[in-house]
Amino acid sequence: GAGVSQSPSNKVTEKGKDVELRCDPISGHTALYWYRQSLGQGLEFLIYFQGNSAPDKSGLPSDRFSAERTGGSVSTLTIQRTQQEDSAVYLCASSLGRGASYEQYFGPGTRLTVT
Amino acid sequence: RKEVEQDPGPFNVPEGATVAFNCTYSNSASQAFFWYRQDCRKEPKLLMSVYSSGNEDGRFTAQLNRASQYISLLIRDSKLSDSATYLCVVRRNTGGFKTIFGAGTRLFVKA
Repeated sequence: GAGVSQSPSNKVTEKGKDVELRCDPISGHTALYWYRQSLGQGLEFLIYFQGNSAPDKSGLPSDRFSAERTGGSVSTLTIQRTQQEDSAVYLCASSLGRGASYEQYFGPGTRLTVT
Repeated sequence: RKEVEQDPGPFNVPEGATVAFNCTYSNSASQAFFWYRQDCRKEPKLLMSVYSSGNEDGRFTAQLNRASQYISLLIRDSKLSDSATYLCVVRRNTGGFKTIFGAGTRLFVKA
């Protein structure tokens, strides 16, 4: 079946512009996660959605970052007034449930470059 | 100190070698443990879950030691295709589910 998809695959933007990154999780997966990965670094948790519960936003690095998930499916990560340090690969993952043992399936990521 | 720590490597090994990766975690409330594999410029993919009793999948063996808060991954008979970064992942539920990724251990298998 279809996996997690993300768009765009690459995004180059000028410093100060806003960007929107999209994630389509696997159908039926109730949990959705956003991470970012800077060059040569591990994954940094950003935000987590589970069903209709309030999202866990504890990983968002600043108030320039926000995310929403409409209808329990598609999610959009928005970065306002982008800075060069926002350059990274933004990865979305989904899982079937919220339990600790559920595998997370990752999308191919969006490579964001802020010039 | 990071909550999940791995030796960054890189590990350079010849084909056929056995290689072991270690990972330590600091939060004793951690509940679930995984090894993910990430190829260059690709997304992470689950390699295997790690169970208290230890588990094996072909050439790969994962071990968990809760008392020492330590996870290991053993790869036997290394193949060129095993070259990748191996990520140790820990999940816990303390005031909400948290997934913490280690920074990864880079493996190069050479002919």
